[in-house]
Amino acid sequence: DAGVIQSPRHEVTEMGQEVTLRCKPISGHNSLFWYRQTMMRGLELLIYFNNNVPIDDSGMPEDRFSAKMPNASFSTLKIQPSEPRDSAVYFCASSYDRGIQVNSPLHFGNGTRLTVT
Amino acid sequence: GNSVTQMEGPVTLSEEAFLTINCTYTATGYPSLFWYVQYPGEGLQLLLKATKADDKGSNKGFEATYRKETTSFHLEKGSVQVSDSAVYFCALSDLAASGGSYIPTFGRGTSLIVHP
Repeated sequence: DAGVIQSPRHEVTEMGQEVTLRCKPISGHNSLFWYRQTMMRGLELLIYFNNNVPIDDSGMPEDRFSAKMPNASFSTLKIQPSEPRDSAVYFCASSYDRGIQVNSPLHFGNGTRLTVT
Repeated sequence: GNSVTQMEGPVTLSEEAFLTINCTYTATGYPSLFWYVQYPGEGLQLLLKATKADDKGSNKGFEATYRKETTSFHLEKGSVQVSDSAVYFCALSDLAASGGSYIPTFGRGTSLIVHP
């Protein structure tokens, strides 16, 4: 089990540039989450996919943020254009949702530290 | 809506001291409760969980009991080690209002620093 794989680990970019963060969930997991972590706001849920379909994107800050999950093994989070206030650590997590009787814990990647100057 | 409240940190202890990190929750349904731990430079990882009232989750010497009457899930360890220094997150997972899927809610995290 390779775990959740995120890339890149670190990203430094200038304001206005497009940033794409990537995530490979654990094979067999059917739920995928994107979180943002900052000192000020803690851990914030941005978007949640179930079976590759976006279920809840109410946490996406604004139209500059978009996320896709074209298949069960890959997801991207894109920021265009980026701003300094987007600087944070972005985590991807996956789980296997077995229905209403049982729910599984999340497995997190090691995150992408984004710095926008 | 759902929410999780944790004691603010940092919590600073000497090695072998007793640890308690308080966690209370508000949920519309009957949630499962979790503690996650985050070591520096890493993502969160599951420490323990409990899925129904009076269940006790335990792992690596840590314990927490699901108390429905007080809506609490306090984390305890009898004797902490320097290697336990990390940030600890309390979380709940409850059925979403729509879609029949579970949406997790995390607390703000509590930093633990253990000195030799």
